[in-house]
Amino acid sequence: NAGVTQTPKFQVLKTGQSMTLQCAQDMNHNSMYWYRQDPGMGLRLIYYSASEGTTDKGEVPNGYNVSRLNKREFSLRLESAAPSQTSVYFCASSESWTVTDEQFFGPGTRLTVL
Amino acid sequence: AQSVSQHNHHVILSEAASLELGCNYSYGGTVNLFWYVQYPGQHLQLLLKYFSGDPLVKGIKGFEAEFIKSKFSFNLRKPSVQWSDTAEYFCAVNTGFQKLVFGTGTRLLVSP
Repeated sequence: NAGVTQTPKFQVLKTGQSMTLQCAQDMNHNSMYWYRQDPGMGLRLIYYSASEGTTDKGEVPNGYNVSRLNKREFSLRLESAAPSQTSVYFCASSESWTVTDEQFFGPGTRLTVL
Repeated sequence: AQSVSQHNHHVILSEAASLELGCNYSYGGTVNLFWYVQYPGQHLQLLLKYFSGDPLVKGIKGFEAEFIKSKFSFNLRKPSVQWSDTAEYFCAVNTGFQKLVFGTGTRLLVSP
């Protein structure tokens, strides 16, 4: 039982390049999330998927797109990377959208945009 | 929009010292409160949570937190820290949905 996995662990991009961050969970969770963590800012929600087939914007969605590929996988895409998107990205999942369910986090992807 | 403040950005303690990390939130309605911990090189994981009932909540590894509604606070405490408690601690809040709002985190260093 791996929990929440993310690939890649590290990535360096040039401004304007695109890439997709992958996230998968093996806990049969319905809800999944993408956060970014910046120094002095805490974690901020980018997008979330309350259930398979649905996605919605969080606090900082600009410059990102997401795909809930199936119940297990939730990917985050940067179409044209900018230096402001240099950050650590965390994926998380929870059993449901119910507020009492714990969110489980992946190990993070450290992205640098030059 | 709700926000969460963690005023202690860095805390250094010796082993066996007592710990209290502050957390204040800004929202006047019903809140759910969480403390997460990130040990070096590891995933963020849940320490404890408060939804309702007893305002003194006990979590894993001897941590506890007290919800004081009148002060909009949810401070984390541990009577005697260990070197293995060295980590970054995040307070978070949600107000009825699974959209967590995190504080900026407190880095705790415990010296042996």
